[in-house]
Amino acid sequence: SAVISQKPSRDICQRGTSLTIQCQVDSQVTMMFWYRQQPGQSLTLIATANQGSEATYESGFVIDKFPISRPNLTFSTLTVSNMSPEDSSIYLCSVESWGSLAGGRADTQYFGPGTRLTVL
Amino acid sequence: RKEVEQDPGPFNVPEGATVAFNCTYSNSASQSFFWYRQDCRKEPKLLMSVYSSGNEDGRFTAQLNRASQYISLLIRDSKLSDSATYLCVVNGDNYGQNFVFGPGTRLSVLP
Repeated sequence: SAVISQKPSRDICQRGTSLTIQCQVDSQVTMMFWYRQQPGQSLTLIATANQGSEATYESGFVIDKFPISRPNLTFSTLTVSNMSPEDSSIYLCSVESWGSLAGGRADTQYFGPGTRLTVL
Repeated sequence: RKEVEQDPGPFNVPEGATVAFNCTYSNSASQSFFWYRQDCRKEPKLLMSVYSSGNEDGRFTAQLNRASQYISLLIRDSKLSDSATYLCVVNGDNYGQNFVFGPGTRLSVLP
């Protein structure tokens, strides 16, 4: 099965700085997703990233705060800009599976290991 | 009303017990349904898909009632390794693009 990796795995950042999180998949995928999971909470979708087009953001998330790149079918980045302590969270990327990753299970998502961000 | 709701938990059960989790969803047009498992400080991992006819995978049984917009997960003969948070996930389409996660139900299996 495909492997999804994220960098960094964790970071501690100062207020007002920005952090770029990388997500790498070892096979080509059409859609990648970025989620946030705040402490003790479930997952909230930030945006959907398609290669060759602008990311689609969910309500409450804007491009200026969370710019996303998707330069090819195996890679994406999410930047958390001008950070505040409220941005402390786990950030997860996921990929849509159409059987090539899931061994026959279609239409589901598989997740990277996450990036644990703490903003001081 | 939240889109996906789950038993608040936590569930603390002894090894060998049978435990059931419930989930309800508000979007009647939802197309596919899943249970994910998330261990502490780890990413969610797909446990099983949920089909209208119900499906079983070893000790795990999932049921879907579309009329009641209700999903369940039954774990038989609980193991210590089953301790995790179980996330109910509802997909608004058939393309894996419109996932909505429930808040999760935490399970602790005790020796």
